[in-house]
Amino acid sequence: KAGVTQTPRYLIKTRGQQVTLSCSPISGHRSVSWYQQTPGQGLQFLFEYFSETQRNKGNFPGRFSGRQFSNSRSEMNVSTLELGDSALYLCASSSQPGSYEQYFGPGTRLTVT
Amino acid sequence: QKEVEQDPGPLSVPEGAIVSLNCTYSNSAFQYFMWYRQYSRKGPELLMYTYSSGNKEDGRFTAQVDKSSKYISLFIRDSQPSDSATYLCALYWGNQFYFGTGTSLTVIP
Repeated sequence: KAGVTQTPRYLIKTRGQQVTLSCSPISGHRSVSWYQQTPGQGLQFLFEYFSETQRNKGNFPGRFSGRQFSNSRSEMNVSTLELGDSALYLCASSSQPGSYEQYFGPGTRLTVT
Repeated sequence: QKEVEQDPGPLSVPEGAIVSLNCTYSNSAFQYFMWYRQYSRKGPELLMYTYSSGNKEDGRFTAQVDKSSKYISLFIRDSQPSDSATYLCALYWGNQFYFGTGTSLTVIP
């Protein structure tokens, strides 16, 4: 079974731009969560989607948004990029919300200059 | 105060040593507890999970939870160079996972 895939793997953007990251979950998984990982703050929860509905949202500004499609693929968008948005963005899929068995993708490394 | 606190290390041990990794947490409502391992340039992978206080063993790995002290530990016996990675604790409550910042471990051959 193929794992979680994230595209692109690396991205360099300029302050003020916007960016869209993509995540394809494991086949059959309908729950997708997004996390931001930085050296100082560690892994922080952004949001979770299940069956195209946002189920839960972390404590991030409205510039961070996401969506999920009918095939369970998910995208997250960050508008008006700031230097502090530089991070590794990780996507995790699971068969159902709240499952301890989350499978992470390799992440997208975003650098904002 | 963060929900989960974890010593970032780094931790460096000789091959064969017993490693102890620890996290403390503040919310007694946390329902279950996990440890993840993250190699460089990879996403975290689930190592172990447990629901209750006490010990859970899986091969060279033992997860320990003390709910009364709000303290969780991961022990690695007979550590190997392949164990060199960052280890993250994770706790679940209220439809959300809370992660520690991770402890970087290097096992020296």
